[in-house]
Amino acid sequence: DTGVSQNPRHKITKRGQNVTFRCDPISEHNRLYWYRQTLGQGPEFLTYFQNEAQLEKSRLLSDRFSAERPKGSFSTLEIQRTEQGDSAMYLCASSSPPGVFGANVLTFGAGSRLTVL
Amino acid sequence: GEDVEQSLFLSVREGDSSVINCTYTDSSSTYLYWYKQEPGAGLQLLTYIFSNMDMKQDQRLTVLLNKKDKHLSLRIADTQTGDSAIYFCAESPTGNQFYFGTGTSLTVIP
Repeated sequence: DTGVSQNPRHKITKRGQNVTFRCDPISEHNRLYWYRQTLGQGPEFLTYFQNEAQLEKSRLLSDRFSAERPKGSFSTLEIQRTEQGDSAMYLCASSSPPGVFGANVLTFGAGSRLTVL
Repeated sequence: GEDVEQSLFLSVREGDSSVINCTYTDSSSTYLYWYKQEPGAGLQLLTYIFSNMDMKQDQRLTVLLNKKDKHLSLRIADTQTGDSAIYFCAESPTGNQFYFGTGTSLTVIP
């Protein structure tokens, strides 16, 4: 297993276009997370899946954003009608369920950088 | 529990100790975490501490937790140039949604 894989690593698009990012988590991890990171800031939570179920969504996730994890393995994050404010690094992370009182240890991918012109 | 604060920059000389500080707001977080991010890379877990502990040591890393003041610190002993990176503390009140600080950029001067 090579860790959490994200594609593409970089995407440049024009305002108004749709973009899709893919995340392949560590195979035995049933939890998958999407975060957004802008320059000089820490990652901000977007959404979280346990298997194929999307269990939490941030208020940051507008109607233009949609995430799926159809078979409980890889996930996609689609942004429709991109705006310049969507320019950021989109990070995916995965984890396995912690034991009772255990820590939830996230393994992050290298991220997908989006630039909207 | 969404305000996690860190100082933005820290500069130390190689071989000295680095101390990175963090304040958080949600006392219900069971664990508190430190992550490291190198340029162009994702975040890498360094260590975490159970909220009932005051201190945790892991090789060159020492985490101190003052739960009363909601203050967390990360001490790196014998800092090396390879430690230059951005360090994030994070809290997780629900165990799922993580709140990260703005990150402290550590520069190690040879």
